[in-house]
Amino acid sequence: DTEVTQTPKHLVMGMTNKKSLKCEQHMGHRAMYWYKQKAKKPPELMFVYSYEKLSINESVPSRFSPECPNSSLLNLHLHALQPEDSALYLCASSQGVAGFGNEQFFGPGTRLTVL
Amino acid sequence: AQKVTQAQTEISVVEKEDVTLDCVYETRDTTYYLFWYKQPPSGELVFLIRRNSFDEQNEISGRYSWNFQKSTSSFNFTITASQVVDSAVYFCALSELEGNEKLTFGTGTRLTIIP
Repeated sequence: DTEVTQTPKHLVMGMTNKKSLKCEQHMGHRAMYWYKQKAKKPPELMFVYSYEKLSINESVPSRFSPECPNSSLLNLHLHALQPEDSALYLCASSQGVAGFGNEQFFGPGTRLTVL
Repeated sequence: AQKVTQAQTEISVVEKEDVTLDCVYETRDTTYYLFWYKQPPSGELVFLIRRNSFDEQNEISGRYSWNFQKSTSSFNFTITASQVVDSAVYFCALSELEGNEKLTFGTGTRLTIIP
């Protein structure tokens, strides 16, 4: 099973709302990632979890809060977002052994609109 | 610092024509990995190929082929006998030996196959 799933597919939220994005993989991968992608741009890395520990935070604003409850699950909690945070949020996973350049497998993304 | 350049922003070809997507990279490391990903309109990034810096052998997979040349720091991707389903945005990406598989993406090439 080489699948990464993400829910929801679409999310519309107001600036005062709190919502969460969910990502799941059952490939036994130990590294999981959150990316943000604006229209006509490449994905931008936000966070990396390696063996359930946060290993990279690319200076992401605190209104984005990641969580890795277990090796298969990754959440992104959203609070007090701005309209400019509207984007496609992609989750990915890889075998997670640093230095081996393992390919990342991506989910279908959550298209977020902040009103 | 690592960098990936995809100079072709958009390419349109008629179905059944061959098309080559260019990718030029910069890195100070001697050990690195190069990737190609496809992003169809649905949004999910699909892994196509990984190549490490010590393997300059070209690769062919069906209608797809890749030409890796360290002398020119290029990793070009050719689609032979293009089909409408090949229409997508294609990203070239680079990761270095250390860095937890952090990918540096190029800006992408939007390929449109005209029926």
